[in-house]
Amino acid sequence: DVKVTQSSRYLVKRTGEKVFLECVQDMDHENMFWYRQDPGLGLRLIYFSYDVKMKEKGDIPEGYSVSREKKERFSLILESASTNQTSMYLCASSEAGQGYEQFFGPGTRLTVL
Amino acid sequence: TQLLEQSPQFLSIQEGENLTVYCNSSSVFSSLQWYRQEPGEGPVLLVTVVTGGEVKKLKRLTFQFGDARKDSSLHITAAQPGDTGLYLCAGAQRNRDDKIIFGKGTRLHILP
Repeated sequence: DVKVTQSSRYLVKRTGEKVFLECVQDMDHENMFWYRQDPGLGLRLIYFSYDVKMKEKGDIPEGYSVSREKKERFSLILESASTNQTSMYLCASSEAGQGYEQFFGPGTRLTVL
Repeated sequence: TQLLEQSPQFLSIQEGENLTVYCNSSSVFSSLQWYRQEPGEGPVLLVTVVTGGEVKKLKRLTFQFGDARKDSSLHITAAQPGDTGLYLCAGAQRNRDDKIIFGKGTRLHILP
């Protein structure tokens, strides 16, 4: 059974803390994505990686960075968490090429106090 | 500017009724996907449509891609409580790498 796993389902952090969200996929996919999902705003792409050590900014990269040292792992980093980063964070992976299915993890609900 | 507009935003209907939700854009897409997301989970792909005018059926769900590849619809026949969820459409555009653009979704609630 193919899988995308995320390190935490729920996370509570304080303003100013450094936060790491980890995502692992077991499908040998080239592409990996980080989204945040907020009521009324839908899914918004934060960063996208199409290969190891390669990354591209999505629509809302400000306040975030990413790391992809291994093909199966894509990390999202909040250098200094702020309350407006409270959200549901979803990781996804897909094969290279247009129109392929994105497989999503279960999400991490992050609350920044 | 939201490239993919989904309507309605919310829909609550009785079990057994039929419904249609829409995904519209002024842009052309090379393919369009529909996902369903249940509470506490990530979205799961239902279908991908590629050809203008294409119709795909998945049990009681019928998906249609517009002739001009700018819009799509999802029709559910005899809705059941298990159909409850957030339905997202997502489009891929040529020359836009492997990213897809998501609509904001239609939240569907089927009352038993």
